[in-house]
Amino acid sequence: SQQGEEDPQALSIQEGENATMNCSYKTSINNLQWYRQNSGRGLVHLILIRSNEREKHSGRLRVTLDTSKKSSSLLITASRAADTASYFCATDRTNDYKLSFGAGTTVTVRA
Amino acid sequence: DVKVTQSSRYLVKRTGEKVFLECVQDMDHENMFWYRQDPGLGLRLIYFSYDVKMKEKGDIPEGYSVSREKKERFSLILESASTNQTSMYLCASSSHRVNTEAFFGQGTRLTVV
Repeated sequence: SQQGEEDPQALSIQEGENATMNCSYKTSINNLQWYRQNSGRGLVHLILIRSNEREKHSGRLRVTLDTSKKSSSLLITASRAADTASYFCATDRTNDYKLSFGAGTTVTVRA
Repeated sequence: DVKVTQSSRYLVKRTGEKVFLECVQDMDHENMFWYRQDPGLGLRLIYFSYDVKMKEKGDIPEGYSVSREKKERFSLILESASTNQTSMYLCASSSHRVNTEAFFGQGTRLTVV
């Protein structure tokens, strides 16, 4: 079964607005990662947050991690049309090398 | 520039054919992964390998096998392709070092007719 589940499944926002998506997972992890996929292409790594970190920033991205609730959120601030993509969380589980993904959130940024 | 290269971008095969999907990485990574991606289901792990000749089943290994004879190459084999294996297949690699990201190939869209 899949480790991570994203919420919402789809999100439509106006350019300039913020986009927030959430990820829940089931088992203990080394880290949680977020990836972006543009229209049927391969995935591109965005940001990694370690299990002992609570918040991380990279440019317009802000990620939080709550290990007690087994959840994470990704915030994209001041969205642009180029942010239109699918976003996936992935968990690097403790004690194995497997990287498990959720079903993703599809974000549409309207001009 | 680091690279994971999948042998085909698009592939059409007939039911019952044996299909090989090839993946090569140039980063000397120990871990390699095969996922399939279907609408609404996200990425599901088929198999992964953490070293040469080593493999472990993922969440959906049925109907697939893999081969890793060299560190840089990881092959996914569909022994007898079926229409329900029509999907996007994604290969990825990562280092054994903890807390590093995975790098993905561009994907192979396989259609079985």
